[in-house]
Amino acid sequence: KAGVTQTPRYLIKTRGQQVTLSCSPISGHRSVSWYQQTPGQGLQFLFEYFSETQRNKGNFPGRFSGRQFSNSRSEMNVSTLELGDSALYLCASSLDGQTLGQFFGPGTRLTVL
Amino acid sequence: KNEVEQSPQNLTAQEGEFITINCSYSVGISALHWLQQHPGGGIVSLFMLSSGKKKHGRLIATINIQEKHSSLHITASHPRDSAVYICAVHNTDKLIFGTGTRLQVFP
Repeated sequence: KAGVTQTPRYLIKTRGQQVTLSCSPISGHRSVSWYQQTPGQGLQFLFEYFSETQRNKGNFPGRFSGRQFSNSRSEMNVSTLELGDSALYLCASSLDGQTLGQFFGPGTRLTVL
Repeated sequence: KNEVEQSPQNLTAQEGEFITINCSYSVGISALHWLQQHPGGGIVSLFMLSSGKKKHGRLIATINIQEKHSSLHITASHPRDSAVYICAVHNTDKLIFGTGTRLQVFP
């Protein structure tokens, strides 16, 4: 079974731009969660999608949004980028997002200049 | 105070030593994960446990639900074990992460 894939792996943007990141979960997994990792804040939960619906949301501003498609692939969008948005963005998939284990993708490293 | 605390933050060891990393949490959980992150960012899930003890190779994870505490042990440590180890608890359908323990094992 192929693992979780994320594209692109690296991205450089400038302040004010917007960015879209993509995550393809493991086949059969219906839950996709997104996380931001920065040196200062560590790993933080952004949101979780299950069957095309946002089921949980962390404490991030509205500039951070996402969606999930019928094939469970998910995209995350950040608008009006700020320098502080520079981070590693990780997605993880699981069968149902409950107590079963999550499988992490390799991450997208976003640098905002 | 963070909801998930790990100790120590940094750990150095000589090859062959026994390693213990601790995790304490203050919220209700349905499960606890131990994750390993190598330089470059990739995260691997080592264990998910909700009670007792699990063992995989040289790695052992234990959890005490009453004390809200978990430990990750590495026996006969090896330089390839050098990584950041992260404790995460599953709380109301989301993961809350500890700040990680950076382990360096020298030959």
